[in-house]
Amino acid sequence: DTEVTQTPKHLVMGMTNKKSLKCEQHMGHRAMYWYKQKAKKPPELMFVYSYEKLSINESVPSRFSPECPNSSLLNLHLHALQPEDSALYLCASSQALSGIDTQYFGPGTRLTVL
Amino acid sequence: RKEVEQDPGPFNVPEGATVAFNCTYSNSASQSFFWYRQDCRKEPKLLMSVYSSGNEDGRFTAQLNRASQYISLLIRDSKLSDSATYLCVVPNQAGTALIFGKGTTLSVSS
Repeated sequence: DTEVTQTPKHLVMGMTNKKSLKCEQHMGHRAMYWYKQKAKKPPELMFVYSYEKLSINESVPSRFSPECPNSSLLNLHLHALQPEDSALYLCASSQALSGIDTQYFGPGTRLTVL
Repeated sequence: RKEVEQDPGPFNVPEGATVAFNCTYSNSASQSFFWYRQDCRKEPKLLMSVYSSGNEDGRFTAQLNRASQYISLLIRDSKLSDSATYLCVVPNQAGTALIFGKGTTLSVSS
């Protein structure tokens, strides 16, 4: 079962709001990822967690705060976002810790910041 | 050379055509490569992994040329359902993460 789930599917928030995106996988994968994808652009890596520890932060602004409560769950906490942060946020997971392995993506959360 | 670069699209082909996409990469030490397919407003889905010289799955063939540092994706007998964006995914220059190409859009028409 290669399934990664994400909630919510859609999110509209104001610039002063605080919200969280959630991701879950039950494949026993040891690495989890957050990507941001703007329209007609490829996914851009934001964060990588390996064994619940943050291993890569691609210089993401602090208004995005990742959290990995356990090996199956990954959250992305959002605060004081800007309209240009509107995008599709994709979660992925992979078996290997190296970051160079097949990644399985969730359906994404489409975020609109007003 | 850029970390990853793909053929610009779009490719517009009739049903039944054979179409090929190329992708170049800069990290000469790379061992793993991937082709993902992404439909409009959907998540990327793995199409093929390439770990050695190539891989074949039905109508799809991926080939790796290490000397010239490129991978290719060949689609034979194109179907309407093949219309999508095809993303080339390779290790970054540091070898620490995967990086996505900009994608090649394929449109198959009847």
